[in-house]
Amino acid sequence: DAKTTQPPSMDCAEGRAANLPCNHSTISGNEYVYWYRQIHSQGPQYIIHGLKNNETNEMASLIITEDRKSSTLILPHATLRDTAVYYCIVRPLYNQGGKLIFGQGTELSVKP
Amino acid sequence: GAVVSQHPSWVICKSGTSVKIECRSLDFQATTMFWYRQFPKQSLMLMATSNEGSKATYEQGVEKDKFLINHASLTLSTLTVTSAHPEDSSFYICSASTSIGTVPYNEQFFGPGTRLTVL
Repeated sequence: DAKTTQPPSMDCAEGRAANLPCNHSTISGNEYVYWYRQIHSQGPQYIIHGLKNNETNEMASLIITEDRKSSTLILPHATLRDTAVYYCIVRPLYNQGGKLIFGQGTELSVKP
Repeated sequence: GAVVSQHPSWVICKSGTSVKIECRSLDFQATTMFWYRQFPKQSLMLMATSNEGSKATYEQGVEKDKFLINHASLTLSTLTVTSAHPEDSSFYICSASTSIGTVPYNEQFFGPGTRLTVL
């Protein structure tokens, strides 16, 4: 079973920041938080991952709480092309054969 | 870098026939490949994990005799759906990871998926 919980859906206005929350209260010390997204009828796309520090790349920022029990993915200026299902996943980086267990994700709709 | 392709992108077949789906890592050597299935409005479900040159490890509830997985080389894995039935209609997605080379270790890179429709 997935070890994360996310809201099933969210709306965001185009050009505004999209903040997607994720709860992972049972995360272990060696587990990373990964975010992927899946645009309709495509394969998942990697966005970002982190262990305990906040991370930023060209796509998004990842804010992880100090106790690591939750995180927020931030898309700073959402566009219509960011409409997708966003998955938050926790996994050990080097163990368990690299398996990814997907939960239900958050369906983000970016509206004009 | 780290591109994964799938072929075909979609396929329609008659009930009772077998269908083969290919997954290729184009610019890296995939030591491990994963196969997922996704039904409409649902999340991805991991079917099996295959390491190059070894038998695949299937997740609980996935019939290994129905979903044949071969990972004979470091750049190719195939999934064969044998005696397909309408309930096998789904979106099949592969991913690949590696423990060698310059591609990030153990990260998964996903293919674009294959839409299977069984009539």
